[in-house]
Amino acid sequence: QVQLVESGGGVVQPGRSLRLSCSASGFTFSTYSMHWVRQAPGKGLEWVADISYDGSKKYDADSVKGRFTISRDNSKNTLYLQMNSLRPEDTAMYYCARDGYSYGYYMDVWGKGTTVTVSS
Amino acid sequence: EIVLTQSPGTLSLSPGERATLSCRASQSVSTAYLAWYQQKPGQAPRLLIYGASHRATGIPDRFSGSGSGTDFTLSISRLQPEDFAVYYCQQYGTSPLTFGGGTKVQIK
Repeated sequence: QVQLVESGGGVVQPGRSLRLSCSASGFTFSTYSMHWVRQAPGKGLEWVADISYDGSKKYDADSVKGRFTISRDNSKNTLYLQMNSLRPEDTAMYYCARDGYSYGYYMDVWGKGTTVTVSS
Repeated sequence: EIVLTQSPGTLSLSPGERATLSCRASQSVSTAYLAWYQQKPGQAPRLLIYGASHRATGIPDRFSGSGSGTDFTLSISRLQPEDFAVYYCQQYGTSPLTFGGGTKVQIK
């Protein structure tokens, strides 16, 4: 079945880095654009970044611009989010999600998420 | 960026009742590029509606979406026990993608 599994979350000090991974299965990963969406504890959803099926197009939110980088390895069916210069306000559950249509649309499949806590 | 405002913040209803949720955009959402998601505690969001009115695969027909421009509505015709959750709207007509703050539908 179609599945997305995130990993790489954890507790990290402010200013440090972390790389999240999202392993895809059950569909042809290389033909779908992908997203990262986060949710701070008790808060709503915040779109973080997206990437086109071939990695040629990327877009990210102003809140993470210059600090986070989305990438993908289609040979490994894996999506990544490199997070640098982490701040306490980056503390959240991070979900990867598949784009339901093309690039920069809606999310039709979601992973269960991985938790990132930024704290000293 | 387009700001989405959802109302009410909380909706208290009984099973079997009709729920009407609103999502208002700060500017027109092009081509009705609006989606709705359901999220239950401890779970990832689930896509319900895309293109303002198209139900996603496997979504019961008691869920319906409508609207255009700046005003959109999600309706649940007869609330089932499993429908009590938080609902988010999301626009994808203009970058960056944005979500509304959510409406919690709780049991009265």
